Amino acid sequence: SAVISQKPSRDICQRGTSLTIQCQVDSQVTMMFWYRQQPGQSLTLIATANQGSEATYESGFVIDKFPISRPNLTFSTLTVSNMSPEDSSIYLCSVEWDRPQETQYFGPGTRLLVL
Amino acid sequence: QKEVEQDPGPLSVPEGAIVSLNCTYSNSAFQYFMWYRQYSRKGPELLMYTYSSGNKEDGRFTAQVDKSSKYISLFIRDSQPSDSATYLCAMSPYGSSNTGKLIFGQGTTLQVKP
Repeated sequence: SAVISQKPSRDICQRGTSLTIQCQVDSQVTMMFWYRQQPGQSLTLIATANQGSEATYESGFVIDKFPISRPNLTFSTLTVSNMSPEDSSIYLCSVEWDRPQETQYFGPGTRLLVL
Repeated sequence: QKEVEQDPGPLSVPEGAIVSLNCTYSNSAFQYFMWYRQYSRKGPELLMYTYSSGNKEDGRFTAQVDKSSKYISLFIRDSQPSDSATYLCAMSPYGSSNTGKLIFGQGTTLQVKP
C-alpha cells in the first residue's frame, strides 16, 4: 500500500483566514481524493484531485471555498478559504490503489479548529 | 434516508468476546464493500475488502455481505483491547466510472475492556 503524509497535522485558525493542507504520497498514483470528517459524522467526499486538470467537486462543495491543486502524481493541496467555525473538521486525503481494485488508502488527517 | 446506515454505538464488550458490526444500505448498485478501522487521531485504515456477496476471513476478522438483504457485517473473534477503535463501513458502485465514490457509514465506536 501507499504511504501518505499530510501537513499540517493540526491547526487552529481565525475565522476569515485560509489554510492550505498538503498531501504527499510515496508512489505515483492516478486518483487522489479529499474528504471531510465532521465530529460524529461519516466521511464525506469533497472532490477528486485530477493531475493536470481541474478538480471534480461533489455536490455541496465549490472551488471558491475549497480550491485544489494537483501539480504531479504524488502531491496535492486543499485550501479551506474564508474559514468559519463550521469548517472545523478533520480533512483527509486518500489515494486509490489498484490492489485490490476500487479501494482507497488514507492519510493521517489534518485536524482544523476555526475560532 | 442515508445511503448507508451504521449504528454509531458506542459498543462496549469484554476482552475475548465476539463482536458483530453491521451496516445496511439502500443502493443495489453497490458491488464493493470495505471495512476501515480508525484509531483515535488517526486516518482510516483498510481492514477488509469484499467484492459482491459472500464471506471473507482474515485472521480474527470475518466480513460478510448479503446483497439480497442489503446488509454487511464484520465479525471480530477473541476481541482484544487493541481492537478498540471506530469501525467504518464503505461501499462503492461497480465500474471504473464510479471510481472514488466511496460511500461511508457513520462509524461504530468499539471499546474492548480488559
